[in-house]
Amino acid sequence: QVQLVQSGAEVKKPGASVKVSCKASTGYFLHWVRQAPGQGLEWLGWIHTSNGGTRYGQKFQGRVTMTRDTSISAAYMELSSLTSDDTAMYYCATEYQRGLDHWGQGTLVTVSS
Amino acid sequence: QSALTQPASVSGSPGQSITISCTGTSSDIGGHNYVSWYQQHPGKAPKLLIYEVTIRPSGVSNRFSGSKSGNTASLTISGLQSEDEADYYCNSYTSNNTPYVFGTGTRVTVL
Repeated sequence: QVQLVQSGAEVKKPGASVKVSCKASTGYFLHWVRQAPGQGLEWLGWIHTSNGGTRYGQKFQGRVTMTRDTSISAAYMELSSLTSDDTAMYYCATEYQRGLDHWGQGTLVTVSS
Repeated sequence: QSALTQPASVSGSPGQSITISCTGTSSDIGGHNYVSWYQQHPGKAPKLLIYEVTIRPSGVSNRFSGSKSGNTASLTISGLQSEDEADYYCNSYTSNNTPYVFGTGTRVTVL
């Protein structure tokens, strides 16, 4: 059974960056999805945990970076130039046949001055 | 890339069937058979219900079924139960610059 464990909640000031981790094994696409308070799901991008290939949503191009460290089975999502609109729960999730079948518990990122 | 369009809310009585629609374009739903559906209870992570339009992962109740016609996908919940009360989201692979897009979400209420 795949288990994804994410890092803890973060509080950041506007303009700062945040880096969220997701403990996961290798060999598949790992997606990042966020959900602002009371809002719907929004897709940020994916990283292939074996070869490090990435694909980002157009809205986040230039502001998001997804990386992985295979030696410790971890993936990372870094979002820069934060604004209050980036306040959200951030999830990592594995892909199976273009469906997201296993999800992390979520990491709450709060952006506040 | 705009979100796929879902009704904001759908309700039904226990035992009834309900259907949630998800409308996109020929670049997403209409152009690919990669539609998935998710159930999300308050304070929880989403759960995969359907992938590739119609396929249920192991462990998902057969009361959930998916279909697609043209640019619109649908999720049907039959034999509605109180535990089905949740938010539901569709998702589609797309040919656009953003390869995945979610629906706007539907709140299901069991009367």
